[in-house]
Amino acid sequence: AQSVAQPEDQVNVAEGNPLTVKCTYSVSGNPYLFWYVQYPNRGLQFLLKYITGDNLVKGSYGFEAEFNKSQTSFHLKKPSALVSDSALYFCAVRDGPTDTNAGKSTFGDGTTLTVKP
Amino acid sequence: DAGVIQSPRHEVTEMGQEVTLRCKPISGHDYLFWYRQTMMRGLELLIYFNNNVPIDDSGMPEDRFSAKMPNASFSTLKIQPSEPRDSAVYFCASSRGGPAPYNEQFFGPGTRLTVL
Repeated sequence: AQSVAQPEDQVNVAEGNPLTVKCTYSVSGNPYLFWYVQYPNRGLQFLLKYITGDNLVKGSYGFEAEFNKSQTSFHLKKPSALVSDSALYFCAVRDGPTDTNAGKSTFGDGTTLTVKP
Repeated sequence: DAGVIQSPRHEVTEMGQEVTLRCKPISGHDYLFWYRQTMMRGLELLIYFNNNVPIDDSGMPEDRFSAKMPNASFSTLKIQPSEPRDSAVYFCASSRGGPAPYNEQFFGPGTRLTVL
């Protein structure tokens, strides 16, 4: 079974400050981890993913995420937040290729990021 | 590529009526997913297909909901009869398959359903 938790419903940061959106996961095998962003009245958009290799993954719009196997975390980060980053962010996990439901991802409940000018 | 296409974008109907939501996935994608999003329940996976075959429909709330994928370029989600509690935004998403199960999903713009 696979699961993902986003412990914060809301994150508020000032423009120009660094931001972190937290995600922890649970899988039985090797995790495939994803971050998506949803702007108001839009579908989710893919930001970045971790499959294997370097623990620091870089994605769209200057976002990056750090995979930490010992802490089973995959936190989303950005060094300098923009007001336009304000949106709903989803973490998702998929178990490794041995999972019979290999096509299915489990999404977290989402974290609303608000960046204030 | 035009991305995942959903229609209609908005649907307002009365309780008891049949509702059909449509989706055209990205060409070449082997997986198609139907999700429902509400404030109360968040994002829920209803059903997903691989190569037009339903793989997991455990998220379909009840028998009033049905989904089909008659070919690789078209899927429908039908609610019959509809109820006010079905009001939500319904998303369709698709992803590549093949030997790599770690491909990201591409979401459509969603259909906002309101059942009065």
